[in-house]
Amino acid sequence: KQEVTQIPAALSVPEGENLVLNCSFTDSAIYNLQWFRQDPGKGLTSLLLIQSSQREQTSGRLNASLDKSSGRSTLYIAASQPGDSATYLCAGRYNFNKFYFGSGTKLNVKP
Amino acid sequence: EAGVAQSPRYKIIEKRQSVAFWCNPISGHATLYWYQQILGQGPKLLIQFQNNGVVDDSQLPKDRFSAERLKGVDSTLKIQPAKLEDSAVYLCASSLPFLRDSTEAFFGQGTRLTVV
Repeated sequence: KQEVTQIPAALSVPEGENLVLNCSFTDSAIYNLQWFRQDPGKGLTSLLLIQSSQREQTSGRLNASLDKSSGRSTLYIAASQPGDSATYLCAGRYNFNKFYFGSGTKLNVKP
Repeated sequence: EAGVAQSPRYKIIEKRQSVAFWCNPISGHATLYWYQQILGQGPKLLIQFQNNGVVDDSQLPKDRFSAERLKGVDSTLKIQPAKLEDSAVYLCASSLPFLRDSTEAFFGQGTRLTVV
């Protein structure tokens, strides 16, 4: 059974700090992994998609890595801003086009 | 490219009433998903369609939830009768049907349901 875990569940940092969010998955037969951002009560906005053949992807201040052998992905946010405050979710894509989500990390960036 | 459209955005109903949610996926996306997200948790898959056929509905509470996908495009999710524990955000997502490394999922804004 595919399980996706995110640690920590919540994180509070001062503005300007660099931070790392963690995502681990039990099944390495992953096609890709997506990182999403979710604002309170809203839908999911895709941030980055890492294909199974890739090791990392970058978009602006965000960098995501994928290590299939260890079953881990990380999302690195550089120079955090209050506007980055949201819940960050990772989801692994598997056979039969299925997604399995972690429970998310709630980030609070303090001004 | 238009995104995934969902309506309504918010709904408040009393327990035992019925409610329906609507989703219009991105054009050409044969795969459509409905997720339930309870506050503080990750999304849980309720049902997955490929065109108008059901791929997985193993976690859909079939005694009260039903879903259909009309002509392989729009989809509706219905709850009848609603319970207090159905209060959640209901998310619709779509993707291309091909299971490739680059296939991405796109989500709508969700419908926040409150059952009182």
